Amino acid sequence: QVQLQESGPGLVKPSETLSLTCVVSAYSISSGYYWGWIRQPPGKGLEWIGSIYHSGSTYFNPSLKSRVTISVDTSKNQFSLKLSSVTAADTAVYYCARHHSNPYYFDYWGQGILVTVSS
Amino acid sequence: EIVLTQSPGTLSLSPGERATLSCRASQSVSSGYLAWYHHKPGQAPRLLIYGASSRATGIPDRFSGSGSGTDFTLTISRLDPEDFAVYYCQQYGSSLWTFGQGTKVEIK
Repeated sequence: QVQLQESGPGLVKPSETLSLTCVVSAYSISSGYYWGWIRQPPGKGLEWIGSIYHSGSTYFNPSLKSRVTISVDTSKNQFSLKLSSVTAADTAVYYCARHHSNPYYFDYWGQGILVTVSS
Repeated sequence: EIVLTQSPGTLSLSPGERATLSCRASQSVSSGYLAWYHHKPGQAPRLLIYGASSRATGIPDRFSGSGSGTDFTLTISRLDPEDFAVYYCQQYGSSLWTFGQGTKVEIK
């Protein structure tokens, strides 16, 4: 069973950079698929942030693109998210997930990690 | 950007009853690009349906998906206690993934 686990600071100060890592087990990222980040602000719905292929190819939600970096480390079987210049609006539960292309869906998700932006 | 609107916002039903959830898109969505998820607080979202009507591995046959174009439906034929949760539809188009705002299925 493929498993994903997010990790990182639960509290980030405004204007700083949010950094999260997703470790994948029971599946080698190098074998394929895209790997994505999705977030859910308190009381709101799900928002896709961006995705990366094992080769390093990325694509992002245009609303966040200017602040987002996603990278992959196949040697550690993990991928990472950096979101710069955060504000309180970036407070959310952040999920990592694996997704298929055509048909398009996310099949394995992490449990999520709450990141609060506050001074 | 394709906006997905789910209705109703909340569905109050009893175990054993039938649930019908709607997902309407602002533009036509290819069936292969529409999926449904089950989500409980503190848990990872779980894929139920992909390609508008295909059940994911391990999903009971009380869950079914249908629809095309701009109107899609998730039906739960008989609600089990574990089914009381929030359900999201999701689409992919023009290199952008979007989700509906969710339908909460609560115990009446």
